[in-house]
Amino acid sequence: EVQLVESGGGLVQPGRSLKLSCVASGFTFSNYGMNWIRQAPGKGLEWVAYISSGSSYIYYAETVKGRFTISRDNAKNTLYLQMTSLRSEDTALYYCARHNSYIPFDYWGQGVMVTVSS
Amino acid sequence: DVVMTQTPLSLPVSLGDQASISCRSSQSLVESNGNTHLHWYLQKPGQLPQLLLYKVSNRFSGVPDRFSGSGSETDFILKISRVESEDLGVYYCLQSTHLPFTFGSGTKLEIK
Repeated sequence: EVQLVESGGGLVQPGRSLKLSCVASGFTFSNYGMNWIRQAPGKGLEWVAYISSGSSYIYYAETVKGRFTISRDNAKNTLYLQMTSLRSEDTALYYCARHNSYIPFDYWGQGVMVTVSS
Repeated sequence: DVVMTQTPLSLPVSLGDQASISCRSSQSLVESNGNTHLHWYLQKPGQLPQLLLYKVSNRFSGVPDRFSGSGSETDFILKISRVESEDLGVYYCLQSTHLPFTFGSGTKLEIK
């Protein structure tokens, strides 16, 4: 069974940093691209970042480019999102999701809440 | 960025009715190899999103055949042939042909 479990969220002040993790199990993590997607309270879905299976290809939404860094450790089956210079508009539930070739976001984690507030 | 426009924003239905949701993209979603990367997701109340259809019309594992998808280029439709209570929630279309990947704003399927 595919499982994705996020952690690392919480309340953080504007301008500070936070690092999210997503531990994968139930599939060969190193064979799949991965994504971060977020959902602000009461709002729709916004794709944040993508990383290919071997980390060769990395893409970001313009809203986070230069502030967020996606990375992965295939030996630990773990995906990361380093978030810096956080803003109130980054407040959201952050999901990690698997990217299966031509099928994006086929499995999702339960999400981790990030609240940016003073 | 490719803008995905979903209509309607809210869709009141009676159980057993057919429901249709439209998704339009601001540019063609056909890739150079002929693939069209338009997908549909459902987020049930209080739950994480789940994949329903990928590449326009392919049902994901376990998705009932009352869900179907059609369309091409910039215009796409999700149809639910006989709405059941478990189908209620917010439906999103997603394009992954162009970067950045973009979602529609969502269509809330609710009981009339």
